[in-house]
Amino acid sequence: SQTIHQWPATLVQPVGSPLSLECTVEGTSNPNLYWYRQAAGRGLQLLFYSVGIGQISSEVPQNLSASRPQDRQFILSSKKLLLSDSGFYLCASLSGISTDTQYFGPGTRLTVL
Amino acid sequence: AQTVTQSQPEMSVQEAETVTLSCTYDTSESDYYLFWYKQPPSRQMILVIRQEAYKQQNATENRFSVNFQKAAKSFSLKISDSQLGDAAMYFCAYRRYSNTGKLIFGQGTTLQVKP
Repeated sequence: SQTIHQWPATLVQPVGSPLSLECTVEGTSNPNLYWYRQAAGRGLQLLFYSVGIGQISSEVPQNLSASRPQDRQFILSSKKLLLSDSGFYLCASLSGISTDTQYFGPGTRLTVL
Repeated sequence: AQTVTQSQPEMSVQEAETVTLSCTYDTSESDYYLFWYKQPPSRQMILVIRQEAYKQQNATENRFSVNFQKAAKSFSLKISDSQLGDAAMYFCAYRRYSNTGKLIFGQGTTLQVKP
C-alpha cells in the first residue's frame, strides 16, 4: 500500500518570506497528486493537482504555485507569503489498486505572522 | 458545477448509541463516487467508506454504513455503537468519473461522543 509523507509538519513564517512544502509518495508509481488547503474548522479546498511529471493544473488563482519534478514528488511553493496563506495543507494521492480513492498525507500546519 | 452540502455543523451522540450525519450533493452526472472521510484531532484524513453511484446496494464497513438515495442526491452516514474514538470531523466528498480524480468536499460535521 502507498504511504504519503509531508515535510515539514509545522512551519511558522513571516509575511513576505518564501515557502516550500514537500510531498512524497512511496509504494506506488504514476499517481495523481493533489494539494489541498484547509482553513481552521472548514472544509478542504483543492489548490493544485497533477496527473504526471511536469503537469500541473491550478484550481484557484492565488499566491501559490506547484511543481512535480519527479513521479512521486509534489512541491507547493510561494515567493512571498501572505497572512491569508495560513492554514493546514494536505497532500493526497490517487493510484494503484484503489484508483477511485484519494489517500492523504499527515499534513503541514502553516502559520504566517 | 458540483456542490456538496453538510447541513449539520455539529452533532453529538452518547457512547454506544447510533448517529446519522447528513450530506446532499448536486450534480448532473450519472456516474460518480461518494466518500466519507474522518478527520480526528491529529487532522489526518482517513477514509471511512465509499460508494459508487451505479451500485444500488448501500456500502457498509463494520459499524459504518451509508444511506445512498441517488434520486434525492442524498448520502448520509450512520455510525452504530458509537465509540469515543469516533469523535472527529466528518467530511462528505464527491468525485465524478474522470482521470483527474478531483474531490469536492462538504464543509464538515463535527461529531462529539459523550461517555
